[in-house]
Amino acid sequence: GNSVTQMEGPVTLSEEAFLTINCTYTATGYPSLFWYVQYPGEGLQLLLKATKADDKGSNKGFEATYRKETTSFHLEKGSVQVSDSAVYFCAPWGRRALTFGSGTRLQVQP
Amino acid sequence: DAGVIQSPRHEVTEMGQEVTLRCKPISGHDYLFWYRQTMMRGLELLIYFNNNVPIDDSGMPEDRFSAKMPNASFSTLKIQPSEPRDSAVYFCASSLTLRGHNLDTQYFGPGTRLTVL
Repeated sequence: GNSVTQMEGPVTLSEEAFLTINCTYTATGYPSLFWYVQYPGEGLQLLLKATKADDKGSNKGFEATYRKETTSFHLEKGSVQVSDSAVYFCAPWGRRALTFGSGTRLQVQP
Repeated sequence: DAGVIQSPRHEVTEMGQEVTLRCKPISGHDYLFWYRQTMMRGLELLIYFNNNVPIDDSGMPEDRFSAKMPNASFSTLKIQPSEPRDSAVYFCASSLTLRGHNLDTQYFGPGTRLTVL
């Protein structure tokens, strides 16, 4: 089955800093890839996705590119805000369901 | 659209008691998922249904856990008897198949925080 490795958190940044959260995966074939975000006290919600190699998913200033050669889907944002503080989950699509990484907590300080 | 609805939002019970968690998926969605989230184990898929039929329950931890989906708009996750190690946040999610491939977004409910004393 699929597996996901995310960088451990927490990641603590100052407002307007550049963000990278690394994600690598192992999977059969070339699954669709997702980033989900969980704000405090809430359920997960889709942040962005990419369905094939070299696709770039983007939303709310976040971007991630599907890198087939390195089996990676790193999340980036050029300038984080305090409101981006949350837990971020990388998730490749498995045979019939998502496989979630362990999550990376991001803390953005004003 | 009201989104995925879960109830209760919080449940505190004593060890040995039966606990029932409820979920109403988004209308028209044909997949329903139950997840459990803990600090130690992260987010785990417990079971999922397609068109009300359980497809994969390999994530259900043991026989004390059971899940049903009697119709397209309702599902339950039951723990009997409950134990302190069952304390976690339980999420329900639903999604819609597109063109025969379930590659679409999963929509999560707000979760039920269960505490077993």
